[in-house]
Amino acid sequence: GNSVTQMEGPVTLSEEAFLTINCTYTATGYPSLFWYVQYPGEGLQLLLKATKADDKGSNKGFEATYRKETTSFHLEKGSVQVSDSAVYFCALSDPGSSNTGKLIFGQGTTLQVKP
Amino acid sequence: GAVVSQHPSWVICKSGTSVKIECRSLDFQATTMFWYRQFPKQSLMLMATSNEGSKATYEQGVEKDKFLINHASLTLSTLTVTSAHPEDSSFYICSAIRGAHSFGGYTFGSGTRLTVV
Repeated sequence: GNSVTQMEGPVTLSEEAFLTINCTYTATGYPSLFWYVQYPGEGLQLLLKATKADDKGSNKGFEATYRKETTSFHLEKGSVQVSDSAVYFCALSDPGSSNTGKLIFGQGTTLQVKP
Repeated sequence: GAVVSQHPSWVICKSGTSVKIECRSLDFQATTMFWYRQFPKQSLMLMATSNEGSKATYEQGVEKDKFLINHASLTLSTLTVTSAHPEDSSFYICSAIRGAHSFGGYTFGSGTRLTVV
């Protein structure tokens, strides 16, 4: 079945450090891939997405490239800020699935950025 | 952009009572909405898929009679936790699809923190 695996957290970084959060997936068909961010006490916000192999999603300085050969969608940011502290979720949806529209989430990675 | 409003944002109820959570798409029609449950420091678990005008599709292990879902219009889905117990305490989040799901057309509500005492 389809699944998403993220690196375990928490990830603790100093401000302006480089961030990588690893995400790998297992899926049938050709899934779309997403990164969502959840700030404390809030719902999820779409951070970026990629719908096909080699696509690069980007937003607010974050980037992730859809790598079909390694089934990965790692999240990166060159210089993190304290305000980036949140929980990050990698997710996939499989348009070919009979359960059309379901999102499958990774376990989430908590990022803590210290001043 | 697409906005999903979820209400209430938090609720405290006594054991044995029922609680209704609303999920509204404010500026688009959502034929499909999803209800998730999130335990502390854990990922989101899909509970059910709600389709306008038809019965919800529940994930394996989710009690249909306990978590009643109604999607009576293209802009409103409700989740009712019936005969709530402390173990039902959790963070519930809804999402709605706008357009083709594979193009990131998901919009999430801000979530409801349910505490059963």
